[in-house]
Amino acid sequence: KNQVEQSPQSLIILEGKNCTLQCNYTVSPFSNLRWYKQDTGRGPVSLTIMTFSENTKSNGRYTATLDADTKQSSLHITASQLSDSASYICVVSAEGTNAGKSTFGDGTTLTVKP
Amino acid sequence: SAVISQKPSRDICQRGTSLTIQCQVDSQVTMMFWYRQQPGQSLTLIATANQGSEATYESGFVIDKFPISRPNLTFSTLTVSNMSPEDSSIYLCSVSAAGSTDTQYFGPGTRLTVL
Repeated sequence: KNQVEQSPQSLIILEGKNCTLQCNYTVSPFSNLRWYKQDTGRGPVSLTIMTFSENTKSNGRYTATLDADTKQSSLHITASQLSDSASYICVVSAEGTNAGKSTFGDGTTLTVKP
Repeated sequence: SAVISQKPSRDICQRGTSLTIQCQVDSQVTMMFWYRQQPGQSLTLIATANQGSEATYESGFVIDKFPISRPNLTFSTLTVSNMSPEDSSIYLCSVSAAGSTDTQYFGPGTRLTVL
């Protein structure tokens, strides 16, 4: 069964600090992995998308890594801001399926405090 | 990219009634999906909305409870029928181009509370 597990479930950090969120998956055959940011009361917004051949991708202060051998990904947030407070969702797609039938993680809730 | 709007943004409904949620996209898209996000949980795919034909439902979701229409490539509706408090959730419309490597775009969601 395809699964995506994220850790930690929640995280509180001080403004300006860095943090790393983890995502482990068992989706096979692997096609791509996406990280989304979901603000409270809003729909998810794409941060990064990585395919098998990519091991790092950045989007501003967000840097995602992918190790397809160990089936792990991380999302690193640098110099956090109050606006980074949100849920971060890891989504993995299998080869031959469309994006809608991807496997969603339960998300990590990040709170950035002043 | 695609910009998605949903109506209504939120609603409070009585048990036994039905609510229709509209999804409008600013460009023609191949794939449209409807998701449910229950409090504190991640997204669960309800169905794929197919243009001009019946939607494709995921396990645990049926057409009688969640009828879906998609008359064209930019518009879809989801109806939540005969509602119960267990239907209280956020309902999200999502679109993507064909192929799993394409980014999905999500609407802002409709927050439904059933009393």
